Amino acid sequence: AQSVTQPDIHITVSEGASLELRCNYSYGATPYLFWYVQSPGQGLQLLLKYFSGDTLVQGIKGFEAEFKRSQSSFNLRKPSVHWSDAAEYFCAVGTYKYIFGTGTRLKVLA
Amino acid sequence: GAVVSQHPSWVICKSGTSVKIECRSLDFQATTMFWYRQFPKQSLMLMATSNEGSKATYEQGVEKDKFLINHASLTLSTLTVTSAHPEDSSFYICSAGTSGRYEQYFGPGTRLTVT
Repeated sequence: AQSVTQPDIHITVSEGASLELRCNYSYGATPYLFWYVQSPGQGLQLLLKYFSGDTLVQGIKGFEAEFKRSQSSFNLRKPSVHWSDAAEYFCAVGTYKYIFGTGTRLKVLA
Repeated sequence: GAVVSQHPSWVICKSGTSVKIECRSLDFQATTMFWYRQFPKQSLMLMATSNEGSKATYEQGVEKDKFLINHASLTLSTLTVTSAHPEDSSFYICSAGTSGRYEQYFGPGTRLTVT
């Protein structure tokens, strides 16, 4: 069955600390991979995407993600978190229809 | 580019009435549109997929007679929640895609509250 797992429901980090949000997927073939961010009451904003090529993908707001085929993972990272990064983060995979993970809520301590 | 709008951004309706939500692609032709539902603090669940000029394809468990989807043009899709009940209260998000490309462009969402 196709699925996306974000193991961490909540993550709290201090401002300036590094961040890694995990995403694992189960899919029949290598899908396209996405990370979105959602602020409360708002729509989704695309942070980055992976279709093919270099497995380290750079996105907006200083985020990056690494695709590891052998681990079926697409973890999101940021070297130094800002208070404005507090939001809900969703990993999504698919080739036509998307499957979304359950999300990780990020809290940033001042 | 690739901007998707939704209207209204929020709506309150009484139980038993119907409400229509519009999803528009503003600067591209959307051959496919997707409708998602998101409950508070939960993920997005795909409700249905619609291709321009065709009937929508609903995901398992979604009542097609309750959630009417129309995709009459390459820039407009509508979701009508018929005979709405409080349990239909949710955040509805649409996305649009173009032929040959696998990326979806998301609208800002519509919050529906049924009283």
